[in-house]
Amino acid sequence: QKEVEQNSGPLSVPEGAIASLNCTYSDRGSQSFFWYRQYSGKSPELIMSIYSNGDKEDGRFTAQLNKASQYVSLLIRDSQPSDSATYLCAVNTNTDKLIFGTGTRLQVFP
Amino acid sequence: NAGVTQTPKFQVLKTGQSMTLQCAQDMNHNSMYWYRQDPGMGLRLIYYSASEGTTDKGEVPNGYNVSRLNKREFSLRLESAAPSQTSVYFCASRGSGRGDTQYFGPGTRLTVL
Repeated sequence: QKEVEQNSGPLSVPEGAIASLNCTYSDRGSQSFFWYRQYSGKSPELIMSIYSNGDKEDGRFTAQLNKASQYVSLLIRDSQPSDSATYLCAVNTNTDKLIFGTGTRLQVFP
Repeated sequence: NAGVTQTPKFQVLKTGQSMTLQCAQDMNHNSMYWYRQDPGMGLRLIYYSASEGTTDKGEVPNGYNVSRLNKREFSLRLESAAPSQTSVYFCASRGSGRGDTQYFGPGTRLTVL
């Protein structure tokens, strides 16, 4: 079992819809959780971080964390074509390293 | 404030050649990292440095060496490049707080012929 798992996609949603991206992790000791967005040919950029169970909202983005189920998700409301990218889930297990999933490719079509 | 910088942006090598990828950060971060990214493989950690003077192997260290020259700079060296090392290489840095995340450089696209 991979330490951080994501569906590779592509996830296709129409413009204006809600995109839901999911991530599961194996280490129950994980402390911090991050979502990165990576456009083709570019480096990953942080869009959300979450540390406690529940929801965290930032603009059109909502991160959700459920430590009991070892599950973290990212919701993108009112999806735009500019949101089309690969979304990487990353988990910190109280070490110096982040463990990354392989990413989910999101396509938002007009 | 440049964040994390990497040089070069692009490089083509012949098999057996050597080169050093340079990385520098101006955020006063303790930890620095080198990743490679290949299609379908995600980000794989090559080496990291938790603080100046220390380095540790990551998931795929074979064929690479690193130097943490000072707090700002962390270089990655390929002593004898192989076609399997064709990849995009990212450097990242991270602060020391529990929730501090990693900030990535723009990447180096390396092709080994």
